[in-house]
Amino acid sequence: EDKVVQSPLSLVVHEGDTVTLNCSYEVTNFRSLLWYKQEKKAPTFLFMLTSSGIEKKSGRLSSILDKKELFSILNITATQTGDSAIYLCAVEEAGAGSYQLTFGKGTKLSVIP
Amino acid sequence: DGGITQSPKYLFRKEGQNVTLSCEQNLNHDAMYWYRQDPGQGLRLIYYSQIVNDFQKGDIAEGYSVSREKKESFPLTVTSAQKNPTAFYLCASIRGPGANVLTFGAGSRLTVL
Repeated sequence: EDKVVQSPLSLVVHEGDTVTLNCSYEVTNFRSLLWYKQEKKAPTFLFMLTSSGIEKKSGRLSSILDKKELFSILNITATQTGDSAIYLCAVEEAGAGSYQLTFGKGTKLSVIP
Repeated sequence: DGGITQSPKYLFRKEGQNVTLSCEQNLNHDAMYWYRQDPGQGLRLIYYSQIVNDFQKGDIAEGYSVSREKKESFPLTVTSAQKNPTAFYLCASIRGPGANVLTFGAGSRLTVL
């Protein structure tokens, strides 16, 4: 069973819409949750979340973590065509002896003019 | 500028041939990783290495091999034993213990004909 589940898997919106991407996880020793944006090739880092209820914000993007309910959301307001990408959620577990991330399948966001 | 260089960007091979994908980093990072990305599958860990001359299998290591003779370099060989080698391969690195964010290369797309 997948440890990190993202939804929806794909989404098509119009420019200016607000979108919410979801990431739920089920790991034994949670350390952090990370969001990446992948446009064509290399994923680029967006946010790292470790504490519940503290919103991280960067421009039109924001993210928050709920460690009790084991999920995170990534919000994008006033979407632009440049937001079209695959958004990846990944979870780091503590105590593995090495740094490892478990990735979800990603949400493919398409923003149309 | 520091970063991760993967080569080649695109590679075509006939079935049954071994191929080697290059990954070089000038970030002075200790740990390096290889991921495989298939459509709708997210990123899956193939191999990782925390120090020179040492590496560990990830979730899908069968049919792949790696070496880590230098800190900067972590080449991946896709052998003929890999049943479905056509995929997008991403190399990543991280500074070391306590660091949290992976830096990715631009990827190599392998197509087996």
